[in-house]
Amino acid sequence: DADVTQTPRNRITKTGKRIMLECSQTKGHDRMYWYRQDPGLGLRLIYYSFDVKDINKGEISDGYSVSRQAQAKFSLSLESAIPNQTALYFCATSDNTRGHETQYFGPGTRLLVL
Amino acid sequence: AQKITQTQPGMFVQEKEAVTLDCTYDTSDPSYGLFWYKQPSSGEMIFLIYQGSYDQQNATEGRYSLNFQKARKSANLVISASQLGDSAMYFCAMRVQSTQGGSEKLVFGKGMKLTVNP
Repeated sequence: DADVTQTPRNRITKTGKRIMLECSQTKGHDRMYWYRQDPGLGLRLIYYSFDVKDINKGEISDGYSVSRQAQAKFSLSLESAIPNQTALYFCATSDNTRGHETQYFGPGTRLLVL
Repeated sequence: AQKITQTQPGMFVQEKEAVTLDCTYDTSDPSYGLFWYKQPSSGEMIFLIYQGSYDQQNATEGRYSLNFQKARKSANLVISASQLGDSAMYFCAMRVQSTQGGSEKLVFGKGMKLTVNP
């Protein structure tokens, strides 16, 4: 089984709808992240959480919210989806077992907002 | 500001040849880390290699090595003996200190596409 899972893997929604993207991990890591990837722009950080009680805004948090329900779960919500939120969304976790912080990514969720 | 620059939009290489993917970075923090990730067409992000700013030697991981030139602020990825499965997008990233203090996050470059020809 994958260590970092994301559901759904693909989602099509309409402008104005509220949607939630889920992320679960079995790695036991405290740190979790949400990124979005747009063509030609690389990955940009939306929100990150260093433990259940810690939530931080990233580079592009406007229009998004998150919830850290447990150490293993970190969900991303779009309260009212808009077309420019069409992107590939990645969840990631991180640890320091290599002597430096390394992030491990989920498989991604492709979101299309019509 | 912390920034990663990857100027090569795409590269082609023959199977079994070596290839160098360029990455330059900008930071005023004396302590930082540099990463390379691979993204195949299936979409997942795969960690390849890490170089710390204080590391004395260039990092190596199997066929991957990192040509770290600190004075030039470059961290180029070298793939030796390219394989067809190396065809993918490659992202350079830098670990930076967040404004909250004591926390870190990654800043990514825009990536570049490598195609390995048989």
